[in-house]
Amino acid sequence: GENVEQHPSTLSVQEGDSAVIKCTYSDSASNYFPWYKQELGKRPQLIIDIRSNVGEKKDQRIAVTLNKTAKHFSLHITETQPEDSAVYFCAALDSNYQLIWGAGTKLIIKP
Amino acid sequence: DSGVTQTPKHLITATGQRVTLRCSPRSGDLSVYWYQQSLDQGLQFLIQYYNGEERAKGNILERFSAQQFPDLHSELNLSSLELGDSALYFCASSVIQSDTQYFGPGTRLTVL
Repeated sequence: GENVEQHPSTLSVQEGDSAVIKCTYSDSASNYFPWYKQELGKRPQLIIDIRSNVGEKKDQRIAVTLNKTAKHFSLHITETQPEDSAVYFCAALDSNYQLIWGAGTKLIIKP
Repeated sequence: DSGVTQTPKHLITATGQRVTLRCSPRSGDLSVYWYQQSLDQGLQFLIQYYNGEERAKGNILERFSAQQFPDLHSELNLSSLELGDSALYFCASSVIQSDTQYFGPGTRLTVL
């Protein structure tokens, strides 16, 4: 079945710098890749997603890139701000229409 | 606000007890998912329903069960509770299985 690996588990960046979180997946039939942000004690919230027919998608300071050949996708956050501090989860929709989740990345923005 | 509602917000109970968590999906969503999140852990998928039928099972214990009713709301039943069952329980919903999942605010269960 599908397996999603997410790295790093913790990422600490200076405010204003960029942050990149990477995920790899195993099921080549996976075709939908969402990213969720979860603040402490709150619900996971979708921040951006990408389907397999595109290679990149951008929304203001957030972008996601997808490499289907290498089976990996990445979240890019530019000009990081204190409110970007949270746990970020990637996921991949496998061929059984099940969303398989990464383990999460704790992003810390240092002032 | 995602449109997914969960009750109660908090639940404190004792070991050995049984509790029921309730979820109302967004209007129009047919799929409901249940997740467990222990402290500082990831999202553990428990079970999924689609239009009243069970569609997928994750690492759900035999002491846990769920159902989705004709009005599409869902309930997660946890019995013979143990200390380790203390966690945040999230419900999510989507229109269909391949669509975006939207999460409710969660129910924080504390087992003493």
